[in-house]
Amino acid sequence: KAGVTQTPRYLIKTRGQQVTLSCSPISGHRSVSWYQQTPGQGLQFLFEYFSETQRNKGNFPGRFSGRQFSNSRSEMNVSTLELGDSALYLCASSLVSQGSGANVLTFGAGSRLTVL
Amino acid sequence: QKEVEQDPGPLSVPEGAIVSLNCTYSNSAFQYFMWYRQYSRKGPELLMYTYSSGNKEDGRFTAQVDKSSKYISLFIRDSQPSDSATYLCAMNNAGNMLTFGGGTRLMVKP
Repeated sequence: KAGVTQTPRYLIKTRGQQVTLSCSPISGHRSVSWYQQTPGQGLQFLFEYFSETQRNKGNFPGRFSGRQFSNSRSEMNVSTLELGDSALYLCASSLVSQGSGANVLTFGAGSRLTVL
Repeated sequence: QKEVEQDPGPLSVPEGAIVSLNCTYSNSAFQYFMWYRQYSRKGPELLMYTYSSGNKEDGRFTAQVDKSSKYISLFIRDSQPSDSATYLCAMNNAGNMLTFGGGTRLMVKP
């Protein structure tokens, strides 16, 4: 069974540009979460989508946005890029969004964004 | 101060050693506790998860949670060079919004 696929794997942008990252979850998974990983702040939650609806949002500015399509694939967009947006952006998929137990998140390999 | 604190290491041990990795946290609402392993240029993969206080064992890995002390641990027995990676603790009270520690880099030398 294919894992979580993120594209592109690496990209370089300049300040002020925008970027769109894509995530294809595991087949059958309806929840997609996005995390930002940096050396200074570690892994931080960006947002979660379930059935095309944003369920939760982390403490990030409005320049960070996302969406989910009917096939559960998700995209995140960062507008007006800043140097501090350089990071590894990780997508994780899960069968469910809420539940009585710990949901198993399966992460993709990430998209490494460098902002110059 | 961060909600979840984790010593960044690096922690260097000889092959076969018992490894102890730890996290402390401040949010008493956390109920689910996870350990992820992340190899270089890869995404994190789930190793263990536990609910509330107690121990859980899976092969060479044992996870412990002490909610009264707000302290969680991961023990790795008979460590192997293939265990060399960054280990991340994560926790939440429900759902998919996890709070991660900063990660501990582990190096197991042959």
